[in-house]
Amino acid sequence: DQQVKQNSPSLSVQEGRISILNCDYTNSMFDYFLWYKKYPAEGPTFLISISSIKDKNEDGRFTVFLNKSAKHLSLHIVPSQPGDSAVYFCAGVASYDKVIFGPGTSLSVIP
Amino acid sequence: EAQVTQNPRYLITVTGKKLTVTCSQNMNHEYMSWYRQDPGLGLRQIYYSMNVEVTDKGDVPEGYKVSRKEKRNFPLILESPSPNQTSLYFCASILSGGPSSYNEQFFGPGTRLTVL
Repeated sequence: DQQVKQNSPSLSVQEGRISILNCDYTNSMFDYFLWYKKYPAEGPTFLISISSIKDKNEDGRFTVFLNKSAKHLSLHIVPSQPGDSAVYFCAGVASYDKVIFGPGTSLSVIP
Repeated sequence: EAQVTQNPRYLITVTGKKLTVTCSQNMNHEYMSWYRQDPGLGLRQIYYSMNVEVTDKGDVPEGYKVSRKEKRNFPLILESPSPNQTSLYFCASILSGGPSSYNEQFFGPGTRLTVL
C-alpha cells in the first residue's frame, strides 16, 4: 500500500505558466514533507519542505501547500522554466525518521 | 566539494554472483541510506545507518546486506543477486537524524544494476 501517491506520472506545461504537482498521503504519522527534484543520470536533490504545522512554504518560484485535513500537498512552480523539466518526488517523514517517497511526476516545460 | 560517490555507476551481472556497490561521503555525516528506484514505485529505502556499527532495515531489505565500519563508507552487498534486484540504486547521507535534516540529504549519482 503506497503511503505517498503522486497520481500524475507526467505533466507538460508551457514556459512561463504555472506548474502544479500534486501529492496525496495516507500516513497520519507524517509530520514533515519534502519535494525532491531529479534530473536524468543524477541523484535527487532537495527542493523545498514543509512542516505539518504550516500550510504554506515559499522559496522563490517554488511554493508548497499542505492541506492536512485532506492529506494533500501540492508544489507550485511559477513561472515555469525549461530548466525545471525533471522528475519531482514528494516525500513524507514520520517522527521516527522514516522517509517515504512517492512514485514521482515527470514535468516537461515546453519552450 | 561535498559529495556522495558510488561505484560502479553501471553493472551487468548474472544471477547468484555476489556483488558490492560502494558508497562514500566526505561530509562527516552520521546518517546514511540506500534506496532503490523502480518505475511507478519511486524511491524505496533498503537499509539505513544512524552511525558507525548501527544499521537497520528500511522498507525493502530482503536480499541485501550492508555494513558501516567507518563513518564515511556504507557498502551495499548483494550476496546472491536475482533479476528482481535489477534497479537503479542511490546512496544518500544526512548530517544527523530528525525530519528537517532531510533538507540536507545528499544523494549519490546512482548505480544502474542489471541482473540477468
